[in-house]
Amino acid sequence: AQKITQTQPGMFVQEKEAVTLDCTYDTSDPSYGLFWYKQPSSGEMIFLIYQGSYDQQNATEGRYSLNFQKARKSANLVISASQLGDSAMYFCAMREAGTGGGADGLTFGKGTHLIIQP
Amino acid sequence: DVKVTQSSRYLVKRTGEKVFLECVQDMDHENMFWYRQDPGLGLRLIYFSYDVKMKEKGDIPEGYSVSREKKERFSLILESASTNQTSMYLCASSRTMSGNQPQHFGDGTRLSIL
Repeated sequence: AQKITQTQPGMFVQEKEAVTLDCTYDTSDPSYGLFWYKQPSSGEMIFLIYQGSYDQQNATEGRYSLNFQKARKSANLVISASQLGDSAMYFCAMREAGTGGGADGLTFGKGTHLIIQP
Repeated sequence: DVKVTQSSRYLVKRTGEKVFLECVQDMDHENMFWYRQDPGLGLRLIYFSYDVKMKEKGDIPEGYSVSREKKERFSLILESASTNQTSMYLCASSRTMSGNQPQHFGDGTRLSIL
């Protein structure tokens, strides 16, 4: 079973609209972290936002916010007032605390290709 | 700002060659990682290291090895390159064991094996 599922392979959104990118995850570890990354066509992976499993509030970072619903195991990324420069691949990723702590790698979803239209 | 530098953006090699991909980070991070990225598959972890001379296998280590002789440098080695190793390779680093530390990525190396 996939640990991270991103059900939207691609999305087209009008500029200035809000965007929600879906992410569901699967883990039995009570301690985990969820990350969102942006990858423009140039290839670099840019860290956007983090949500810890024990965090009481949804994470926010500028125009990015995370709609964290722990019982449903979902961690959707919300981008407010989208801009042309938001066009990119977006990846949801998870780190489980387990026995490896922070040294273990991230498990990534397959990504969502977001295209912002003028 | 954290800087993770990969030695090449584009690389073309021949089948059977020994290939070295180099990665250097400048923030004294404990952990370093190598991923490969393929269309439709996302990123998959090849190897990681949590200290000098330490290495751990990730999800897809077959056909690869790594070297970490210095804290700032983590090398990925393709012992005998094959065409199915044509991919985008991404190096990342993170601070020590705290779970909320993000991984910082380099710009990637697009490797083609002919």
